[in-house]
Amino acid sequence: DIQMTQSPSTLSASVGDRVTITCRASQSIRNYLAWYQQKPGKAPNLLIYRASTLESGVPSRFSGSGSGTDFTLTISSLQPDDFATYYCQQYNSFASFGQGTKVEIK
Amino acid sequence: DVRLVESGGGLVQPGGSLRLSCAASGFTFRSFWMSWVRQAPGKGLEWVASIKVDGTEKYYVDSVKGRFTISRDNAQNSLFLQMNSLRGEDTAVYYCTRDRVTGTFFDSWGQGTLVTVSS
Repeated sequence: DIQMTQSPSTLSASVGDRVTITCRASQSIRNYLAWYQQKPGKAPNLLIYRASTLESGVPSRFSGSGSGTDFTLTISSLQPDDFATYYCQQYNSFASFGQGTKVEIK
Repeated sequence: DVRLVESGGGLVQPGGSLRLSCAASGFTFRSFWMSWVRQAPGKGLEWVASIKVDGTEKYYVDSVKGRFTISRDNAQNSLFLQMNSLRGEDTAVYYCTRDRVTGTFFDSWGQGTLVTVSS
């Protein structure tokens, strides 16, 4: 099984900050990585797939990078709507998620 | 617009059974792999099971193998999850998801249905 590890678990930031979340896979997943945003009481929403491809309708302040085992999600300028929990997910072998990163207001 | 609506959740005793349903609309259901993803209260996301477009291939996370069965009815645009021998650790919100054609990631989600396993 492929384990996904995100860091940090919680991140405190202010509106306008540049935010970076890291996701590491226990073995190479090539670029088969997706990122999701989840707000309390809501279903997750797909942001990025294939490590760096932005899903239609997702603001361009979100970007993803990486391949192999190390990946990052970057929010270039944090907006009030971006305070949420973010999950990475590998789909190189079935599917598994990271434990999540909560982005909270500083 | 893609719409996925789950139903069938509720309170069940340990060892009991429950069948979840997902009604799909707004897309050609028979053309997409479908999956179930769950989230225990206050916890992260866990993929549970996936099914091929025609139902001929099914995959499960190890913790539910032999207890859960995923199925679909393409004529009725419906996805199902039969859950048997339920345990406390199966308590979660269960989401019906549509898989992107190019891989097992999830581009549409239902609102979720809560399954609580408790005596």
